[in-house]
Amino acid sequence: DSGVTQTPKHLITATGQRVTLRCSPRSGDLSVYWYQQSLDQGLQFLIQYYNGEERAKGNILERFSAQQFPDLHSELNLSSLELGDSALYFCASSVGVLGTYEQYFGPGTRLTVT
Amino acid sequence: ELKVEQNPLFLSMQEGKNYTIYCNYSTTSDRLYWYRQDPGKSLESLFVLLSNGAVKQEGRLMASLDTKARLSTLHITAAVHDLSATYFCVSWDSNYQLIWGAGTKLIIKP
Repeated sequence: DSGVTQTPKHLITATGQRVTLRCSPRSGDLSVYWYQQSLDQGLQFLIQYYNGEERAKGNILERFSAQQFPDLHSELNLSSLELGDSALYFCASSVGVLGTYEQYFGPGTRLTVT
Repeated sequence: ELKVEQNPLFLSMQEGKNYTIYCNYSTTSDRLYWYRQDPGKSLESLFVLLSNGAVKQEGRLMASLDTKARLSTLHITAAVHDLSATYFCVSWDSNYQLIWGAGTKLIIKP
């Protein structure tokens, strides 16, 4: 158990809908990262927050947005969902702001868009 | 474009055999991570290599780092079925953002 929690574990929704994925980092970690992993694919970095502020952006679509709240939990919002958005979404946390810190991953949310 | 390239991307081997996964990177980083992912599961940090010449071992896995060659290796000794997983190596760019390799899917047959 990494100490990072994600909810929900599974999510099934229809095209065009909007969903919110939630992540709570390990105690003491200030950075939260979001990743997307499509079937049998590698990890795509989406976005990083550090202590409430956006720190880095990767290949995140305009339909996707995220935020980190004062209690350091983070939410990833996915809107106007398409079939291709079906994937595993991972949240990771680390203690520092730089990507060089070791990241601890949550169990992931499996999103299925039908 | 900065890259982290793993070789091979897929490896099927018999139990008891030895093999090496290679990770070449084009960044100037002096450290590198290895992560493991079981099918449909989350990722787990395996090794943190912090300097040139670093070698770390855990069980049947040994990782090393040669920053001059920009090469890291993950060596599997006397493979067992439980090591079947996908292994990722990770470096980072000058902005300290992670660059992930594509992963090596390892299948170990009994």
